[in-house]
Amino acid sequence: AQKITQTQPGMFVQEKEAVTLDCTYDTSDPSYGLFWYKQPSSGEMIFLIYQGSYDQQNATEGRYSLNFQKARKSANLVISASQLGDSAMYFCAMRERTNAGKSTFGDGTTLTVKP
Amino acid sequence: EAQVTQNPRYLITVTGKKLTVTCSQNMNHEYMSWYRQDPGLGLRQIYYSMNVEVTDKGDVPEGYKVSRKEKRNFPLILESPSPNQTSLYFCASSLYGSNQPQHFGDGTRLSIL
Repeated sequence: AQKITQTQPGMFVQEKEAVTLDCTYDTSDPSYGLFWYKQPSSGEMIFLIYQGSYDQQNATEGRYSLNFQKARKSANLVISASQLGDSAMYFCAMRERTNAGKSTFGDGTTLTVKP
Repeated sequence: EAQVTQNPRYLITVTGKKLTVTCSQNMNHEYMSWYRQDPGLGLRQIYYSMNVEVTDKGDVPEGYKVSRKEKRNFPLILESPSPNQTSLYFCASSLYGSNQPQHFGDGTRLSIL
């Protein structure tokens, strides 16, 4: 069964610094996708970045990058040059190829950016 | 504008009174899903649908029903709501595939007294 673990309930970072949010996963499917979503205090869920299990390079989207270590089954989100607007809850999620209908989310990490 | 629309956004009701939360998407997505979000538990999948007339259970389906009669709509039905179903509910849609990100509605906050 697929499982996502986010071990950091809360994180603090100084404005303009980089921060890494941890995500480990477990699956028996060799083909899968990993996603990060942001949930600001207003409540909506915003897709940030995607990494496929067969992608050779780590995904990047602007200030977001994904540190994908397949052997360790980790997919950490790196936010560079943190901004006050990055304060939010962040969720790691997975979909497997064999059943892309099932989607599993981690418990989330609340990030607070300090001015 | 591409969007997933949920209604109502907020609802306070009483135990046992049937309710329906509607979800509609305008992106022609095959896949739709319902989640509930509770503090410290992330998002847990209730039901999902891979196409019209095709639905399947997620991790927490007890006490919920869904239907997918049209591609754009995926209502969530609580036939006899109980207080433990008080939660924040999200509907999402996407193209079908493990590489497809989901588009979420704005959420429905349900309080069952």
